[in-house]
Amino acid sequence: AQKITQTQPGMFVQEKEAVTLDCTYDTSDPSYGLFWYKQPSSGEMIFLIYQGSYDQQNATEGRYSLNFQKARKSANLVISASQLGDSAMYFCAMREDLYNQGGKLIFGQGTELSVKP
Amino acid sequence: DVKVTQSSRYLVKRTGEKVFLECVQDMDHENMFWYRQDPGLGLRLIYFSYDVKMKEKGDIPEGYSVSREKKERFSLILESASTNQTSMYLCASSLRGTGGRNEQFFGPGTRLTVL
Repeated sequence: AQKITQTQPGMFVQEKEAVTLDCTYDTSDPSYGLFWYKQPSSGEMIFLIYQGSYDQQNATEGRYSLNFQKARKSANLVISASQLGDSAMYFCAMREDLYNQGGKLIFGQGTELSVKP
Repeated sequence: DVKVTQSSRYLVKRTGEKVFLECVQDMDHENMFWYRQDPGLGLRLIYFSYDVKMKEKGDIPEGYSVSREKKERFSLILESASTNQTSMYLCASSLRGTGGRNEQFFGPGTRLTVL
């Protein structure tokens, strides 16, 4: 079974509008972390935002926010005021067992976002 | 500025060749990782290492091996390259610490083509 599912292979958004990228996860571990990464066409993965399973509030980093719904096991990324430079592939990832020092990440399939001028 | 570097951006090899992909990080991170990225499959973990000379298999280790002789360097080895190993290979590193964010930092990737 997929541990991280991103159901939107591709999305379009108009510049300056907000967009939500979906991510659902599956784990029985009570201690886990959720990450979003951006991969522009240059190929390098850029860390965007993190949410811990015990965090009481949704994470925010500038124009990025994470809509964390623990009971539904979803961790959607919201990008406000989209910019042309936001066009990229976006990956949701999970690390289980946060107290394990290994730090492995499990990635979703990715969502390709295109911002239209 | 923190950095993970990979020895090549693009590489073309022939079937059966032994291939070395090198990764170096300058952040004094304990953990290092090798992933391959294929369209529609996301990133899949090949091997990781949480200390010098330590290695653990990821989800798809078949056909690969790794070496970590120094803390800053983690090498991925394709013993006998095959066409189904044509892919983008990404190296990453992170701190060992527990319970917190400890995000992984990625290199620019190596696009390997096996003919």
